[in-house]
Formats: sequence, C-alpha cells, structure tokens
Amino acid sequence: DTGVSQDPRHKITKRGQNVTFRCDPISEHNRLYWYRQTLGQGPEFLTYFQNEAQLEKSRLLSDRFSAERPKGSFSTLEIQRTEQGDSAMYLCASSNSGPETQYFGPGTRLLVL
Amino acid sequence: GNSVTQMEGPVTLSEEAFLTINCTYTATGYPSLFWYVQYPGEGLQLLLKATKADDKGSNKGFEATYRKETTSFHLEKGSVQVSDSAVYFCALSDGTGANSKLTFGKGITLSVRP
Repeated sequence: DTGVSQDPRHKITKRGQNVTFRCDPISEHNRLYWYRQTLGQGPEFLTYFQNEAQLEKSRLLSDRFSAERPKGSFSTLEIQRTEQGDSAMYLCASSNSGPETQYFGPGTRLLVL
Repeated sequence: GNSVTQMEGPVTLSEEAFLTINCTYTATGYPSLFWYVQYPGEGLQLLLKATKADDKGSNKGFEATYRKETTSFHLEKGSVQVSDSAVYFCALSDGTGANSKLTFGKGITLSVRP
C-alpha cells in the first residue's frame, strides 16, 4: 500500500513529557500538511511543508511544537512538555502542488494524562 | 478568514431515504471545495470535490454543486445505504496562495438504519 502512513497510531503520555510523531507521505508528493482534530470538531491546520521547507505555521502551533521534514520525504512533529490540552488526533496529509487532493493518513491519537 | 459551516447533526435516516447535508462557506478569492468522509475506524477519505463555480462533484452516488452565488456546497444522495454511515466533513482550500491548506467544517455524523 502506498498511502500516507503515520506512527505511532496511539500514544499515551504523562503531562510534561515530550512526544514525537512520524508521517510518511505518498512518495511522489512534495507537499505535506499536519492537522489536529479534537473530539467533535473538524481537523485544524497546523503547518505545511513544500519539499523540505516549512512554509507556514498556524497560530495554533505554540513554541512547544516543532515540525521537520529534513529530506523532503518523511516528517516529524514533536511536542515538548505536553499538556492535557494537547490530547487530540494528529493527522498528516500529502499532495502534489496546486489545488490537488490531499490524502490523509490514519492519524496518531495522543492522550496526555 | 476562511470558514466552513455545516448543519448541526447527527442525522439518522432509513435505508433508501434521500440525503441532504448543508454546507456554506466564507472565503476570499476562488476556493476549491471538498467533501471528505470518515468511516468508523478509518482515516479521512476524499469523497468528491469541485474547483470552480457551477462545477458538480460526484462519487459513489453522492453529488455536490459549487454555488458561488449562495456560497454553498450541499451534499446530496438519492438513496442512502447502511454502508454510508460515517462522519462527513465539508472543506475548502484557498486557491489564492501557494499553501492549499484545508479549512474544515465541524463534521456531521450520518447513521443509516436498515
């Protein structure tokens, strides 16, 4: 299967710990997006990469959040000093340039205790 | 800024009933419009899309028409099936900038009874 993959699928952590999520996009896609989805809401944009360049970050992305896409392939999203409010589903999507369809991964569900 | 408003849910229908899910949007420029679906236990999947005014997107018996005059993109299906039970999200993509990030509505849960 050559869809978008995310790892881990589930993560439970204690408040104050750091967590890192990985996203592997569809191989020929140069755009990669991170979204966050809380219960009963639609996904909200966090950040966007074109190849290895991070071109936009949402105001939702506090200083505790950092994302990388070092070689323009996979991406990581790190949350430092997690808070209970960070509990959510973190979604990754990829696409080609232009208004192309974004393909979503299965998400990483984070629970901060 | 951009926003998407979906009708309040949940929606429960009997099999073979007609479905309409309302979606309106606010955007600058000329956005592309999408319906995504999330089946139980699965990730978001594109259901259909339309990239300019008066375009009709269609897939799996679902249809939606891009109405610029009413800023709407309502989803319809003539005869729903139990397998259509899922959460449906309306979304737009800003066509004016390089970043085609999606702005989603809250989603609506559809349950179809046999």
